[in-house]
Amino acid sequence: DGGITQSPKYLFRKEGQNVTLSCEQNLNHDAMYWYRQDPGQGLRLIYYSQIVNDFQKGDIAEGYSVSREKKESFPLTVTSAQKNPTAFYLCASLNSRVALGNTIYFGEGSWLTVV
Amino acid sequence: GDSVTQMEGPVTLSEEAFLTINCTYTATGYPSLFWYVQYPGEGLQLLLKATKADDKGSNKGFEATYRKETTSFHLEKGSVQVSDSAVYFCALKVMGSGGSNYKLTFGKGTLLTVNP
Repeated sequence: DGGITQSPKYLFRKEGQNVTLSCEQNLNHDAMYWYRQDPGQGLRLIYYSQIVNDFQKGDIAEGYSVSREKKESFPLTVTSAQKNPTAFYLCASLNSRVALGNTIYFGEGSWLTVV
Repeated sequence: GDSVTQMEGPVTLSEEAFLTINCTYTATGYPSLFWYVQYPGEGLQLLLKATKADDKGSNKGFEATYRKETTSFHLEKGSVQVSDSAVYFCALKVMGSGGSNYKLTFGKGTLLTVNP
């Protein structure tokens, strides 16, 4: 079945460590997004990518990095510079070739906890 | 800039009650509007959408009408069930510069709890 796969579902990070969250989609979508969700908060955009080898910062990019070497993959690295990384991370994708009504699809999310 | 404002939660209802979750927006362009639902520990699932003024999106008994004059997209359901307990997000999507750069903006979410 087509969809977005995020892994791992749960991840624990020690202080000072970098960790990478995986996001893979087989929907043939051009655009991919990373959001962060904190309890009682909405979704905040970290990074997004419209095409391979290109990405832009969202509203809260500091302490994060991404790459887009393949169309189907958009991994997110949470670096040690991110001071409060404990959150629920959501990856999404979109078919930007469709002008109207194109739907944003989400993965199941990854829980990151700093220990 | 673009923004979405949802009614503050949490909302607690009894089964079979009527549900309304208000959503208003501001957008720099002509947005498409969405409602997403998030069940505990899961990602977001599309509930319904509308792409132009006066369109009504509907799914699983939920409805929302795109009201351009009031910049609103309120979610309604006539008779809620316990299984509807979840967090609901209103969202808008507009096209950025260049014709292919879509920006997605979400509200903060409204927690709905339905009691038997």
